[in-house]
Amino acid sequence: EAGVTQFPSHSVIEKGQTVTLRCDPISGHDNLYWYRRVMGKEIKFLLHFVKESKQDESGMPNNRFLAERTGGTYSTLKVQPAELEDSGVYFCASSQVGVYGYTFGSGTRLTVV
Amino acid sequence: KQEVTQIPAALSVPEGENLVLNCSFTDSAIYNLQWFRQDPGKGLTSLLLIQSSQREQTSGRLNASLDKSSGRSTLYIAASQPGDSATYLCASPKGNDYKLSFGAGTTVTVRA
Repeated sequence: EAGVTQFPSHSVIEKGQTVTLRCDPISGHDNLYWYRRVMGKEIKFLLHFVKESKQDESGMPNNRFLAERTGGTYSTLKVQPAELEDSGVYFCASSQVGVYGYTFGSGTRLTVV
Repeated sequence: KQEVTQIPAALSVPEGENLVLNCSFTDSAIYNLQWFRQDPGKGLTSLLLIQSSQREQTSGRLNASLDKSSGRSTLYIAASQPGDSATYLCASPKGNDYKLSFGAGTTVTVRA
């Protein structure tokens, strides 16, 4: 089966610009998660979708971050406007309902300059 | 809040030596604990998932143990190879929550 796909793999943008990250989960996986790792820190949870509904968005840092999951399929994470501290690697993961084993994507490395 | 710590932060060993990676967690009421591997510029690859009812899991040269009472998990890699060089992360949710708390990782270098 295809894995979790994220794109772009890298993005370099200027402070104040907008960036949209995309995640395509494994087909049939209702759970979709976003995590990120900023420089020198641990990987941190951002939010969790079950199908198209946000189950938990307690990790979203502020209202500059907006996540959507259209029709319960792919998800986007928009950062608007981007700030320097948003630089890091953004990971997406998916799992089946009731399953705690996660499959992670390869991540998007975001650099804000 | 589950806090996960990994020691050491980095480890360098000659090829053939066994690797021992440590992970500690603060909330012993864990549902499971998962070990991941990350290669530079790559995503996270799940290695082993230990349920709270289990004491260990094995896959090939990898063995992970879980001791909830002491809040520790250990990943053993037998007869290390240069291809084992990577960053190893452990992660656990708090209770049966889906959110994972990650350790900072142990970066392993196996010298040929």
